[in-house]
Amino acid sequence: EAGVTQFPSHSVIEKGQTVTLRCDPISGHDNLYWYRRVMGKEIKFLLHFVKESKQDESGMPNNRFLAERTGGTYSTLKVQPAELEDSGVYFCASSQLAGVGGNEQFFGPGTRLTVL
Amino acid sequence: AQSVAQPEDQVNVAEGNPLTVKCTYSVSGNPYLFWYVQYPNRGLQFLLKYITGDNLVKGSYGFEAEFNKSQTSFHLKKPSALVSDSALYFCAVRSAGTALIFGKGTTLSVSS
Repeated sequence: EAGVTQFPSHSVIEKGQTVTLRCDPISGHDNLYWYRRVMGKEIKFLLHFVKESKQDESGMPNNRFLAERTGGTYSTLKVQPAELEDSGVYFCASSQLAGVGGNEQFFGPGTRLTVL
Repeated sequence: AQSVAQPEDQVNVAEGNPLTVKCTYSVSGNPYLFWYVQYPNRGLQFLLKYITGDNLVKGSYGFEAEFNKSQTSFHLKKPSALVSDSALYFCAVRSAGTALIFGKGTTLSVSS
């Protein structure tokens, strides 16, 4: 079974440009999460989808970030316009059984975003 | 507010020696606790979790962790370290809601 995949693995953009990150969860996983790790700091939650619906987007830093999950399969996270502080590694994770607190999340390899 | 603390940025051990990576947490309600490991250029990999029951949980690659409610700790342990265990380790907690709250991570370096 394929794991969580993310594309691209690296992205280097100029401040003010737009970048779109993609996550393909494990097939059949209803829950999809986005997290971000800024260099040397904690991995922080951004948002959570259950199927195509946003369950919790309390971690989204501001309205320059837009996440979608059309059809409840893959998800995209768009940053527009990108700022220097958006640099970091963006992780996607998925899990089965919505609402089960103890269920582990499976993480993708991350997308390393560098904004110059 | 929920939080996780990993007090050591780096832990150094010699191969064959026991290792401990520390984690303490603060949550309201019953905690669900997790350890993840990240190898270079790889994603986070699930190691083990505590949900309920036996305070000592066993996970992948010979790792185990002990849940201590009175000390609000969930330290990761391994009786005999391998060089291949060198990686970045994250402790995480979940209580209300489904988002994981992570610590800052601890780099484990095992020397031969």
